[in-house]
Amino acid sequence: DTEVTQTPKHLVMGMTNKKSLKCEQHMGHRAMYWYKQKAKKPPELMFVYSYEKLSINESVPSRFSPECPNSSLLNLHLHALQPEDSALYLCASSHPGLLQETQYFGPGTRLLVL
Amino acid sequence: DQQVKQNSPSLSVQEGRISILNCDYTNSMFDYFLWYKKYPAEGPTFLISISSIKDKNEDGRFTVFLNKSAKHLSLHIVPSQPGDSAVYFCAARWNYGQNFVFGPGTRLSVLP
Repeated sequence: DTEVTQTPKHLVMGMTNKKSLKCEQHMGHRAMYWYKQKAKKPPELMFVYSYEKLSINESVPSRFSPECPNSSLLNLHLHALQPEDSALYLCASSHPGLLQETQYFGPGTRLLVL
Repeated sequence: DQQVKQNSPSLSVQEGRISILNCDYTNSMFDYFLWYKKYPAEGPTFLISISSIKDKNEDGRFTVFLNKSAKHLSLHIVPSQPGDSAVYFCAARWNYGQNFVFGPGTRLSVLP
């Protein structure tokens, strides 16, 4: 099973809303990632959790708040977003520390901020 | 400043012929390279990878070549099939860590 699931698939929110994106994997991976992808651009790394601890924060604004409740789950809490935050948000997971570490991606959540 | 470059935004190839997708990188601290394929409205799907200690890795129709001195890698698909039509991303891992940098992608169209 190499599946990473993400919910919801689509999300529309206003600038004053609070919402959360969810990601789940059952591959026993201990590293989980959030990426942001704008149209016709590559995925850009936002956060990395390794063994449930935040290991990388790529200077992401505080209106994005990640959370890793356990080794299988990753959340991204959204608050007071801006229209320019509209994008595809991708979750990925991997076995950290492997010489040939491969990331497996979920299908993404397409977010529209009005 | 892009550290991983894919200078061809698009490529068209006839079915049955070879597709060659190129990727260049600037940072010698990248130690592991991956190719992903992405269909619209889906997440990237892992295709094939290569460690910096190797110069070639093959998996079925897909072969990746790495030229460390030139900081260049390429993905060969042979024979190309219409189902290979997608956007292909090259990605590089920085210094054995968890920081993966993606190139801008190349859109491959395989014509029947």
